[in-house]
Amino acid sequence: EIVLTQSPATLSLSPGERATLSCRASQSVSDYLAWYQQKPGQAPRLLISRASNRATGIPARFSGSGSETDFTLTISSLEPEDFAVYYCQERRHWPSGTFGGGTKVEIK
Amino acid sequence: QIHLVQSGGELKNPGASVRVSCTVSGYNFSVYLMAWMRQVPGQGLQWLGSISAASGQKFYTQTFQSRLTLTTDPSTNTAFMELQSLTVDDTAVFYCARDRGVRGEFDHWGQGTLVTVSS
Repeated sequence: EIVLTQSPATLSLSPGERATLSCRASQSVSDYLAWYQQKPGQAPRLLISRASNRATGIPARFSGSGSETDFTLTISSLEPEDFAVYYCQERRHWPSGTFGGGTKVEIK
Repeated sequence: QIHLVQSGGELKNPGASVRVSCTVSGYNFSVYLMAWMRQVPGQGLQWLGSISAASGQKFYTQTFQSRLTLTTDPSTNTAFMELQSLTVDDTAVFYCARDRGVRGEFDHWGQGTLVTVSS
């Protein structure tokens, strides 16, 4: 069973700062890695698919990179609305849709 | 515009079953799969399973395979999730999401349905 480990668990930053979130897979997922954002009381929203492709309507400050087992979500300059929880998900081992444990980006 | 609208919150006794619906609009229901997730309060997302709206083929995570049933009704563009033998540990928000299929992502989500299991 594949495990996705996200780090750090919590990231405390100020608006305008750069956020770097990590997702590490216990085995290769190629580039079948997606990122989601979830705000309190809301459903998750797709940000990134296939490791680096921004979903429709997602601002350019969000970018994804990586392959195989190591992936990064970068938010170049945090906006107030970006403080949320972020999840990675792998689909290499379809149909399973394993999620990582999440990284909370909070206001410092 | 694509919308996935889920049924309202449920309060169930331990041992009961719950059925949550997810009605879609704005896309061809039969072309995609529908995925279902569980999120226990304060915890992360857990994929439960996916179902092909076209073929009815179902994929379940092993943990829930014995008590989870996914179905679809293409005539009403609705997907259903039924979870049996509920325990208090099943108290969670359940989400449906459009599954883009083989190795694809979940690109549109329902608003979530809170299922509370309590005696």
